Amino acid sequence: AQTVTQSQPEMSVQEAETVTLSCTYDTSENNYYLFWYKQPPSRQMILVIRQEAYKQQNATENRFSVNFQKAAKSFSLKISDSQLGDTAMYFCAFMKNFGNEKLTFGTGTRLTIIP
Amino acid sequence: EAQVTQNPRYLITVTGKKLTVTCSQNMNHEYMSWYRQDPGLGLRQIYYSMNVEVTDKGDVPEGYKVSRKEKRNFPLILESPSPNQTSLYFCASRDREERLDTQYFGPGTRLTVL
Repeated sequence: AQTVTQSQPEMSVQEAETVTLSCTYDTSENNYYLFWYKQPPSRQMILVIRQEAYKQQNATENRFSVNFQKAAKSFSLKISDSQLGDTAMYFCAFMKNFGNEKLTFGTGTRLTIIP
Repeated sequence: EAQVTQNPRYLITVTGKKLTVTCSQNMNHEYMSWYRQDPGLGLRQIYYSMNVEVTDKGDVPEGYKVSRKEKRNFPLILESPSPNQTSLYFCASRDREERLDTQYFGPGTRLTVL
């Protein structure tokens, strides 16, 4: 079974600064996907960024980027030039490629951007 | 607009009173799933469906039922709700035919069982 661990329950950072959220996972699969989801106060689950395990290049989406270390099973999210709208709960998630493609979530990191 | 819808969005009920939370997607996705979110636990899968008439248990299926009679709909049924089922529920879908690596989430249903 897969597990996802987020060791930072809460973080805060000043607006415009850079922040990195940590995520580690455990799996015996070789092909899988990793995701970061954002959950603002509206409770909607919003996909921030995805990474395919077979790709060595780290995914980037505007101000969001990941540091994917497959051997270390680490998948951190970096938010550059943080904005007040980035305040949210962030979940790291794992999905295997075949069978029950459920998302296995970490317990989340509550990020607060301070004006 | 591609979307997953859930109804109701909020529900307060009493122990033992059967209820159904509906989920519908307009993207012709094969795979659908239900999750519950609890503080400190993240989201956990309740049930999933790979296609019409194909359903199976997830990690926390006790106290829940599902059905998949049509591709677009995947209702979650609580036959006899209990207070420990008070939670935030999400429905999600994914297009397996296209092997798209994204799951689309509904807006969530906040359920309180008294």
